[in-house]
Amino acid sequence: GAVVSQHPSRVICKSGTSVKIECRSLDFQATTMFWYRQFPKQSLMLMATSNEGSKATYEQGVEKDKFLINHASLTLSTLTVTSAHPEDSSFYICSARDGRAGGYEQYFGPGTRLTVT
Amino acid sequence: GNSVTQMEGPVTLSEEAFLTINCTYTATGYPSLFWYVQYPGEGLQLLLKATKADDKGSNKGFEATYRKETTSFHLEKGSVQVSDSAVYFCALSDQANAGKSTFGDGTTLTVKP
Repeated sequence: GAVVSQHPSRVICKSGTSVKIECRSLDFQATTMFWYRQFPKQSLMLMATSNEGSKATYEQGVEKDKFLINHASLTLSTLTVTSAHPEDSSFYICSARDGRAGGYEQYFGPGTRLTVT
Repeated sequence: GNSVTQMEGPVTLSEEAFLTINCTYTATGYPSLFWYVQYPGEGLQLLLKATKADDKGSNKGFEATYRKETTSFHLEKGSVQVSDSAVYFCALSDQANAGKSTFGDGTTLTVKP
């Protein structure tokens, strides 16, 4: 149980285009999802917290107009990188928390490698 | 605010050696503590957790005990395998921080045959 999927696993796009990444909880309802960015050989940087049916809460320094987050249902959150630039190239990871379980552990997706050329 | 400090890596061990990765934390509330593992090119997997003082989390031969008096949650395994090579993250979450997790910087473990 507690499986989280991400799609796509890898995407290459041209500078100036937008890319959407999907995060799905497959066997549980995720009241809260988190989006992280990870640079090579570094820890995870929390970008935003996404709660179903409400606006995402962004961490300081993260541009909400550039990284659009939508948590439309209890099993799906999307991150759209708008007008992507090479500096947005990174490994993006989502995680989800099972609201019914009551704990704080997060279940992570496999990540999406974004390369902007 | 909350913080997690992990032993710096990389750590290189021979197969069947004993592993310890140190983790200490600072938290204002009563956090839950976690160890996550990340294999190359993948997301993180929950390895084990402990939700209150003196709890011991264990999984796949790994163990960690929640020590409130020393604010520590050190990861141990008695005999590592090559397949344990990965990056290990210590993390905490608490209600005071809206359930968000605070991660350590990660420790890279390489096990050689």
